[in-house]
Amino acid sequence: EPEVTQTPSHQVTQMGQEVILRCVPISNHLYFYWYRQILGQKVEFLVSFYNNEISEKSEIFDDQFSVERPDGSNFTLKIRSTKLEDSAMYFCASNPSNYGYTFGSGTRLTVV
Amino acid sequence: DQQVKQNSPSLSVQEGRISILNCDYTNSMFDYFLWYKKYPAEGPTFLISISSIKDKNEDGRFTVFLNKSAKHLSLHIVPSQPGDSAVYFCAASGLGNEKLTFGTGTRLTIIP
Repeated sequence: EPEVTQTPSHQVTQMGQEVILRCVPISNHLYFYWYRQILGQKVEFLVSFYNNEISEKSEIFDDQFSVERPDGSNFTLKIRSTKLEDSAMYFCASNPSNYGYTFGSGTRLTVV
Repeated sequence: DQQVKQNSPSLSVQEGRISILNCDYTNSMFDYFLWYKKYPAEGPTFLISISSIKDKNEDGRFTVFLNKSAKHLSLHIVPSQPGDSAVYFCAASGLGNEKLTFGTGTRLTIIP
């Protein structure tokens, strides 16, 4: 069964450093998303991406965040200057167009 | 603004009995509702969904009920099995490719 792949599974970074989280969505899907889950809290929407541009973003997704689909297969989330409160599990998801969300297994980001 | 609420953070059920997980929502624009199962350090796994035009959807041991007038949905698992122990999230969306809004989750423990 097709799956969404995320790398790395765990990333530790120092506060103020830039991180890039990588995702390979399912190949024939058209919509791509990033969600995050802070420990013990609910899964929160960050951003959706369609046709090479952001279609919606949440209040969390401020100027420190950016997304890119650089080569037609990868979908990346960049955090420019990480803060302690960015520590969370980050989930990538893709969707063909009609409720068929598939989530990746996540990247645990730890900011120290 | 909690648009999707799961008021029971945890639930314990004997193996073989019925597990009932509840979810309430406030946004009447939600059109589609989903249940996800999540293990630690893994991404959410889709279980079952229901469109707002239906009041019941069944898939094997899993049944989702939707009461639109009460803005309430529930997931029934019968019979419950030890492998069902996980955190269950309900989620809601508008159109098929719109963002998912998640509840806070219910940790289900099946007692052998």
